[in-house]
Amino acid sequence: ETGVTQSPTHLIKTRGQQVTLRCSSQSGHNTVSWYQQALGQGPQFIFQYYREEENGRGNFPPRFSGLQFPNYSSELNVNALELDDSALYLCASSSRGEQYFGPGTRLTVT
Amino acid sequence: TQLLEQSPQFLSIQEGENLTVYCNSSSVFSSLQWYRQEPGEGPVLLVTVVTGGEVKKLKRLTFQFGDARKDSSLHITAAQPGDTGLYLCAGVHNGVIKAAGNKLTFGGGTRVLVKP
Repeated sequence: ETGVTQSPTHLIKTRGQQVTLRCSSQSGHNTVSWYQQALGQGPQFIFQYYREEENGRGNFPPRFSGLQFPNYSSELNVNALELDDSALYLCASSSRGEQYFGPGTRLTVT
Repeated sequence: TQLLEQSPQFLSIQEGENLTVYCNSSSVFSSLQWYRQEPGEGPVLLVTVVTGGEVKKLKRLTFQFGDARKDSSLHITAAQPGDTGLYLCAGVHNGVIKAAGNKLTFGGGTRVLVKP
């Protein structure tokens, strides 16, 4: 177990709705990265937060946004959900090196 | 865009057999990592390879980084049912802010099933 926790575990939303996913980083880690993993594929980098500032973003539209809090926990927000947003959302915390992944949040959009 | 391609996508073998998974890219990465992911869990780091031509061993797993640092392979000897899982390679990008974590570009994964 990595010490990275995510909530909720599973979530079902309707197309057009908004969703917020949460991640608590491992103690001492000041960086959180978010990834989207569609079924049967490898994870894709969404964005990374370092000390509450966005530090790089992948090829995702602006309706994917995030926050990092002073305790280094993080949120991923997705607006105007689309069917293709159905995926496993992984967060990973790190500090100067190896990333430790949480178990993910499985989002289903119907 | 830096892409990583893994092959095969799926591999089913009997316990005791050997297997090799490949990871290829058209780009050079500063380093490359291999992860294993089991259902309901996030990926877990197995190894990081940094130097072209490098070979690393982790019990029955052997990892090799190509001389040009564009490709890598994972070889499992005498596979066991506990080796079943999704194997992912990931290219590592060093961020502008060195103190922040690295960013990873993942391949599509190879699903390995080892039957008893």
